[in-house]
Amino acid sequence: DAGVIQSPRHEVTEMGQEVTLRCKPISGHDYLFWYRQTMMRGLELLIYFNNNVPIDDSGMPEDRFSAKMPNASFSTLKIQPSEPRDSAVYFCASSGAGANGRSDEQFFGPGTRLTVL
Amino acid sequence: KNQVEQSPQSLIILEGKNCTLQCNYTVSPFSNLRWYKQDTGRGPVSLTIMTFSENTKSNGRYTATLDADTKQSSLHITASQLSDSASYICVVSDGNAGNMLTFGGGTRLMVKP
Repeated sequence: DAGVIQSPRHEVTEMGQEVTLRCKPISGHDYLFWYRQTMMRGLELLIYFNNNVPIDDSGMPEDRFSAKMPNASFSTLKIQPSEPRDSAVYFCASSGAGANGRSDEQFFGPGTRLTVL
Repeated sequence: KNQVEQSPQSLIILEGKNCTLQCNYTVSPFSNLRWYKQDTGRGPVSLTIMTFSENTKSNGRYTATLDADTKQSSLHITASQLSDSASYICVVSDGNAGNMLTFGGGTRLMVKP
C-alpha cells in the first residue's frame, strides 16, 4: 500500500483565495483525520470521519473551513477565503478499527504545506 | 482538560551518545501512549505503543517506559545516530469512542557528528 496520499505537497496562495487540500486514505481504513500543525500550537485535530461520516468537527477553527468525504477513498479540506494565519502544515491520517471498534493506530500522510500571502 | 507536556523542548547531543525525553500527561480515561518520530517535512510515524499494563517497550535503539501511576513516560535513545535527528512527539489516546489523541508539543532532537 502506498500509505496515505496527500496533494498538493505545497501550496502558496494569496489571501482571500480558496484552497482545497486532498487526501486519499489507506484502503480499508474506516477512520480519517485532518490535522493542522504549526510551530506555536503543534498538532491540532480539525475534524475526523468514521465510515465517511463526520463525527467531530469541534476543532475546525471557523466557518471558513469545511471538510468532506464523499467516499471511502477520498476527502477534501477546503478553506474559503484563506487568510495568512491559516499558513501551516495540514496532515491527513487514517486508521482502521480495533477489536473494540474504536480507531486503531493512525497513519499520517506527508502533509500539505500551505502558505497564504 | 486533557494535556500532554514534553521536555525538553529541544536537545542537541553528539552522535553515539544516549538521551532521554520526558512526557507527562493528564488524559482521562487513558487508553494507550505512543511515541511518534517526525522527520523534517514528513508526517509522524509511530515508534512504540504502550497500554496501561505495560511499563516498557523497545523498538531497536528506542526504549519507552510508562508509569501509569505518576502519568509519566520517557523515551530513551541509545547510541544516537545522525538519522535520529527529528521531532519526537508523545501522544496519549483516551478510552472514549473516538479514541482521540492528545499530542504533546514535541522534543526537537538534533544529533551532531
